[in-house]
Amino acid sequence: KAGVTQTPRYLIKTRGQQVTLSCSPISGHRSVSWYQQTPGQGLQFLFEYFSETQRNKGNFPGRFSGRQFSNSRSEMNVSTLELGDSALYLCASSSQGQINEKLFFGSGTQLSVL
Amino acid sequence: AQSVTQLGSHVSVSEGALVLLRCNYSSSVPPYLFWYVQYPNQGLQLLLKYTTGATLVKGINGFEAEFKKSETSFHLTKPSAHMSDAAEYFCAVSTNQAGTALIFGKGTTLSVSS
Repeated sequence: KAGVTQTPRYLIKTRGQQVTLSCSPISGHRSVSWYQQTPGQGLQFLFEYFSETQRNKGNFPGRFSGRQFSNSRSEMNVSTLELGDSALYLCASSSQGQINEKLFFGSGTQLSVL
Repeated sequence: AQSVTQLGSHVSVSEGALVLLRCNYSSSVPPYLFWYVQYPNQGLQLLLKYTTGATLVKGINGFEAEFKKSETSFHLTKPSAHMSDAAEYFCAVSTNQAGTALIFGKGTTLSVSS
């Protein structure tokens, strides 16, 4: 079975632009969650989607948004990029979206904002 | 609110020595606890988890952790370190929301010398 796939692997953007990141979960997995990883703040939960509905949202501004498609693939969008948005964005999937389940992480998208 | 504290951002051991990575948590509800490992340029991989039942949890690659409610701790151990164990380790606690949102500690980088 293929793992969680995130594209692109690297992105360079400038302040004020917007960006869309993509995540394809493991086949059959219905839950997709997103995390931001930075050296200063560590790993922070962004949001989770389950069956095309956002189920949870972390403490991030409205510039961060996401969606999930009927095939469980997910995208996250960041508008009006700021320098502080530079980070590794990780996507994780799980089968049933239960809190006690194992999360399967992708390798991430490294976003640099100049 | 839930939180996780990992004591020591960097731990160094010799090959064959005991590995001990410390994690303390705060939770207003019975927690689910996890340890994830991240190798360079990769996503996170689950080492082990505590949900309910036995408080001593065994994971992959010879790691284990013990849930101690009285000490609000979930320390990770391995009797004998191997060079391949060098990585960053994250302790995480479930939130009190439905779904898979986790709160991660800041991480501990484990170095193993020969």
